Formats: sequence, structure tokens, C-alpha cells
Amino acid sequence: AQSVTQPDIHITVSEGASLELRCNYSYGATPYLFWYVQSPGQGLQLLLKYFSGDTLVQGIKGFEAEFKRSQSSFNLRKPSVHWSDAAEYFCAVGAGKTSYDKVIFGPGTSLSVIP
Amino acid sequence: NAGVTQTPKFRILKIGQSMTLQCTQDMNHNYMYWYRQDPGMGLKLIYYSVGAGITDKGEVPNGYNVSRSTTEDFPLRLELAAPSQTSVYFCASSRTGAPPHYGYTFGSGTRLTVV
Repeated sequence: AQSVTQPDIHITVSEGASLELRCNYSYGATPYLFWYVQSPGQGLQLLLKYFSGDTLVQGIKGFEAEFKRSQSSFNLRKPSVHWSDAAEYFCAVGAGKTSYDKVIFGPGTSLSVIP
Repeated sequence: NAGVTQTPKFRILKIGQSMTLQCTQDMNHNYMYWYRQDPGMGLKLIYYSVGAGITDKGEVPNGYNVSRSTTEDFPLRLELAAPSQTSVYFCASSRTGAPPHYGYTFGSGTRLTVV
């Protein structure tokens, strides 16, 4: 069965600093991978997704993520964090084209940004 | 463009009461989902639907029911509320095709407390 882990429950960074949020997955084949962001009191918004091709994917709000098959990872990065990036970030993995019920979300990483 | 709309945003129920969480989308998405979000646990799939008249159980369906009479609406019913159902509930939808491939559009959530 597939699973997703996000090792960091909470991260605090200074505004302007770089950011990397970790995501590891367990799945036998090449999965569909996603990062979502949830601002306080809001629903989840899709930041970016990977399903094939270039392993470095660009998303909205200046985020990017890199798929590393050898490490079963899909880490999210941003070169310079803004105060508005403070939110909860969820990594998710989808198992296949017809597995509607097989999108698994990680537990989330809470990001705080200090001035 | 409203996207996915959930009502109510907040609700307090007494044990044993019933209620319906409403979800409607205006994107003509065939696929719709209900998730619950508990702290540190990520999102768990309750029920999903691949089209009007078709629904199926997700990971945590006990205590809930759904119906899908139209493409737009996917209400979630709690028949006998229990404290374990205290959670934040999210409705989501996705395009026709391979749902994991496209990612989901989420509503802003319903925060439910059962006392």
C-alpha cells in the first residue's frame, strides 16, 4: 500500500530565507505526486504536481519540487520565503489512473515565517 | 467562478443529532470527494463519486452517508453524531479523466464539533 511521510511537523524560517519541505513516499510504481498548501481557515490549493517527464516541476507562488526516484522523495523548495507563505503544506501521492480512492495525503508540515 | 462551495462553515452538534454538510461545484467536474482532516493526520477519504448516481466508500465511511443526484451537488449526511466525528470536513472535485493526474479543487471546509 502506498504511504506518504512528511518528517517535519513544524518548520520556522526567516523571511527571505530559502525553504525546503521534505516528502517521502512509498509506492511500487511511479506515482502521481502533489503538493498542496492550506492557508488558515481555507481549503487546500494545488501548488504543483508531477506525473512524468522532467523531474523538476515548477508550481505557483514561486515553488518548485524535485522528484527523486532513488530516494522516493518529492521535496518542495522555494528560494526566498515571504511572510504570506506561512501555511500548512501537504504532500500527496496518487496511485494510478483509475484509482480514484488512492490519493493519500501526508500529515502536513506547518510553516511559520518570522520577520 | 465559485469553484467548490461548502456550507455551513461551522457547526456544533449534540451527540445523536443529525445533519447534512452541503457541497456544490460549478466546474462541471464529474468526480467529487469528501475528506475529513484531523490534526497531525492529514486528510482521510470518507466517500467519493465518479458521477451522478454513483458513489463509493473511501477509507473512513462509517457513520456517514452520501448521495449524488446531480453533477453539481454532493451532500454528506451524518445520521447519529458522535464525538469522534469532530473534525474539519473538506469537499473536493476534479476533472473528468484520471483524477490523480489533475489534482483536486477543494472547498473551504466545514468545522464540526460534536458535544
